[in-house]
Amino acid sequence: RKEVEQDPGPFNVPEGATVAFNCTYSNSASQSFFWYRQDCRKEPKLLMSVYSSGNEDGRFTAQLNRASQYISLLIRDSKLSDSATYLCVVPLNAGNNRKLIWGLGTSLAVNP
Amino acid sequence: NAGVMQNPRHLVRRRGQEARLRCSPMKGHSHVYWYRQLPEEGLKFMVYLQKENIIDESGMPKERFSAEFPKEGPSILRIQQVVRGDSAAYFCATTESGDEQFFGPGTRLTVL
Repeated sequence: RKEVEQDPGPFNVPEGATVAFNCTYSNSASQSFFWYRQDCRKEPKLLMSVYSSGNEDGRFTAQLNRASQYISLLIRDSKLSDSATYLCVVPLNAGNNRKLIWGLGTSLAVNP
Repeated sequence: NAGVMQNPRHLVRRRGQEARLRCSPMKGHSHVYWYRQLPEEGLKFMVYLQKENIIDESGMPKERFSAEFPKEGPSILRIQQVVRGDSAAYFCATTESGDEQFFGPGTRLTVL
């Protein structure tokens, strides 16, 4: 299994739809997880942190399944402005090495 | 509290020249990460530094690339004798001590 793996998409959904992305990881010792969002030609920005079973922020819900080693991101009532690439991130957790392992991203296009 | 700053935002170099990219962390942040992103591709980790120390350089090409984070001043990513394949967006991200990384706006390097 790859360290962090995501379905690259693209996901094309209409406005108002609910869409979910999954991300699998290989390091069972990982304790925290992140979803970042990257717009075209811009820097990634933190969307959500996940430290326990999940996290919810408005239309966005992140869930963690430690047994199966995957994290999901659910977006409800999609907006045009949600169109972006969503990056799953898992810390390496190797001694004092605080490197993050980045997925390649899932591309989302929300259509009018 | 200013965010992560990178300069220059755009850099044009001819083949064989040197490129110097600078990253000023957010106040209080002592961990710096450099990433490279080629057009239409994902983020690739290059190097992780703490003040005056390289912690992980597993993503750095063995030749022509070097990075430093001195006690005073910004972190510098240096590319010697640039080639066309070095054209990319270079992002730095910083963190205080945890895992959440804050990104700068990136430097877009174009090699003619």
